[in-house]
Amino acid sequence: GAGVSQTPSNKVTEKGKYVELRCDPISGHTALYWYRQSLGQGPEFLIYFQGTGAADDSGLPNDRFFAVRPEGSVSTLKIQRTERGDSAVYLCASSLSSNTGELFFGEGSRLTVL
Amino acid sequence: TQLLEQSPQFLSIQEGENLTVYCNSSSVFSSLQWYRQEPGEGPVLLVTVVTGGEVKKLKRLTFQFGDARKDSSLHITAAQPGDTGLYLCAGEFRDDKIIFGKGTRLHILP
Repeated sequence: GAGVSQTPSNKVTEKGKYVELRCDPISGHTALYWYRQSLGQGPEFLIYFQGTGAADDSGLPNDRFFAVRPEGSVSTLKIQRTERGDSAVYLCASSLSSNTGELFFGEGSRLTVL
Repeated sequence: TQLLEQSPQFLSIQEGENLTVYCNSSSVFSSLQWYRQEPGEGPVLLVTVVTGGEVKKLKRLTFQFGDARKDSSLHITAAQPGDTGLYLCAGEFRDDKIIFGKGTRLHILP
């Protein structure tokens, strides 16, 4: 499809496990953003990429969270030693460039840590 | 710290009424966007405002950007049940980081 694709749509894991969430942006979009959204809240910024490099990772909560975008297209958000507090919807968005401010979102990956 | 405050957090009104929601920050935005989000979906872009004082209209929705580019408002005229949803403002700062407010959850009663 032509939109932002996120997989898996749902992930249930146990506390302490490792999780990877994948985002496939719109073709040609150079900027890619990751957000985390808890119930009833707005999206919380985690990290954004311009091309292959992380331009700003100031929103990553701690060193258990890491994201990569090795070829400037698909990105993977990696969470080590998951905790119950990591449970949320993880949203990915892409943009034609990082200075248009207009984001196109995927449907999110719902992570539940038991 | 870059923060966006949205108000009100919740709003429940009758069909046909008018309403305004607000988005404020102490920081200046390069641009500001309004999004609408339905349950189980990602936010969908409604509008972008860039110039201080700018006003944009989208059918019954009117968006205004403050002169100092620190605040914005969304006004809905004659609200309809289909307007129900979570309205989010997002500000783009000079470093291209885009921050969202907590949203206004709007419920229009038929």
